[in-house]
Amino acid sequence: QMQLVESGGGVVQPGTSLRLSCAASGFTFSSYAMHWVRQAPGKGLEWVAVISFDGSHKYFADSVKGRLTISRDNSKNTVYVQMNSLRVEDTAVYFCARAGDSTMLRGVLITGPPSHWGQGTLVTVSS
Amino acid sequence: AIQMTQSPSSLSASVGDRVTITCRASQGIRNDLGWYQQKPGKAPELLIYAASSLQSGVPSRFSGSGSGTDFTLTISSLQPEDFATYYCLQDYIYPWTFGQGTKVEIK
Repeated sequence: QMQLVESGGGVVQPGTSLRLSCAASGFTFSSYAMHWVRQAPGKGLEWVAVISFDGSHKYFADSVKGRLTISRDNSKNTVYVQMNSLRVEDTAVYFCARAGDSTMLRGVLITGPPSHWGQGTLVTVSS
Repeated sequence: AIQMTQSPSSLSASVGDRVTITCRASQGIRNDLGWYQQKPGKAPELLIYAASSLQSGVPSRFSGSGSGTDFTLTISSLQPEDFATYYCLQDYIYPWTFGQGTKVEIK
């Protein structure tokens, strides 16, 4: 049974850093791109980032570009997101999600919408 | 980034009603659009991908249509478990973007 479990959330001060993890099981992790999506309290969904199956391609939302890095360790079946210079507006539940089947087209990662999601981890940025 | 505009933002409907939600992209996205359902405190669930393809396990009362800039999610006969918030997502070009959501409430 496919499972994604996020961890690493908590309460942090503005300007600090935080690393979130997402542990995967029940599927061949190294074959799938992985996404992060967030949701501020009472707000809608915001796509954050994606990493290709081998970690060679990464894409980011404009709101986090330059402050967020995404990485994966296929030997540990885990994807990470490192958030730096955290802002109050980064407060959200962060979900990891598995992409659909992927391919590379002219050097760009092409993948369908994520079909399997974790339950999320809450990050609160507050002084 | 491509802007995705959903309408309405909320609607009230009764069990058995036919419900239609629309999503408009600020530029053409072919058929690279998905629809999600989210219930409070839960992760989103994929309903439709590639604008009109039903995700495995999703009831056939859900359907999607459209291409280019205008898309529709239809629930043919609303069931009690369908009261939730629905989001569209364009996966045509990075950064991907969601619509702002449509909350379907009980009339």
